[in-house]
Amino acid sequence: ETGVTQSPTHLIKTRGQQVTLRCSSQSGHNTVSWYQQALGQGPQFIFQYYREEENGRGNFPPRFSGLQFPNYSSELNVNALELDDSALYLCASSVGQGAAEQFFGPGTRLTVL
Amino acid sequence: GQNIDQPTEMTATEGAIVQINCTYQTSGFNGLFWYQQHAGEAPTFLSYNVLDGLEEKGRFSSFLSRSKGYSYLLLKELQMKDSASYLCAVRTGKGGSYIPTFGRGTSLIVHP
Repeated sequence: ETGVTQSPTHLIKTRGQQVTLRCSSQSGHNTVSWYQQALGQGPQFIFQYYREEENGRGNFPPRFSGLQFPNYSSELNVNALELDDSALYLCASSVGQGAAEQFFGPGTRLTVL
Repeated sequence: GQNIDQPTEMTATEGAIVQINCTYQTSGFNGLFWYQQHAGEAPTFLSYNVLDGLEEKGRFSSFLSRSKGYSYLLLKELQMKDSASYLCAVRTGKGGSYIPTFGRGTSLIVHP
């Protein structure tokens, strides 16, 4: 059974650019959640996708958007990058949007210069 | 918004017992989670409480009191590998749309 995978591992962008991060959910999981984790902080919930629909969103501006594909993999897109967007971006998958247990991927470390 | 408080750092001795507390203020409570995160790694799920009481799973136990907005994670027979950050998270919402809010984490240092 393959776990949650994310790509790329690391990424460096400049302010104002756009970035796309990718996540493959664990086999059999139909729900994907995205989190932003700054250094020394807990993960902050960005949004969740269930069966290709966004069904929950945290306190993030519209320049953070996402997609979920029919195979339940997902993308996180961030437009107009700001310095404060530098963080570890985590993807987590689960079976159903109300599942108690989420399985996290290793994350993508984004640095915005 | 949600407010979650947990101690920043705790230290304990190998073989001992440690209790990590978490207090929260929220509306629309729909469960409390504990995750473990080793440095440089992804969080891993430890426990989930939605009703009051104690949930035990091996060396780890988690307690919830909804009326007090309080939870704790109890780690017994501490091992060096238990040195990690422990994240308390509260979920709110209903009808399939849920919002999890994580605390800043408690860094646990286990020494010999």
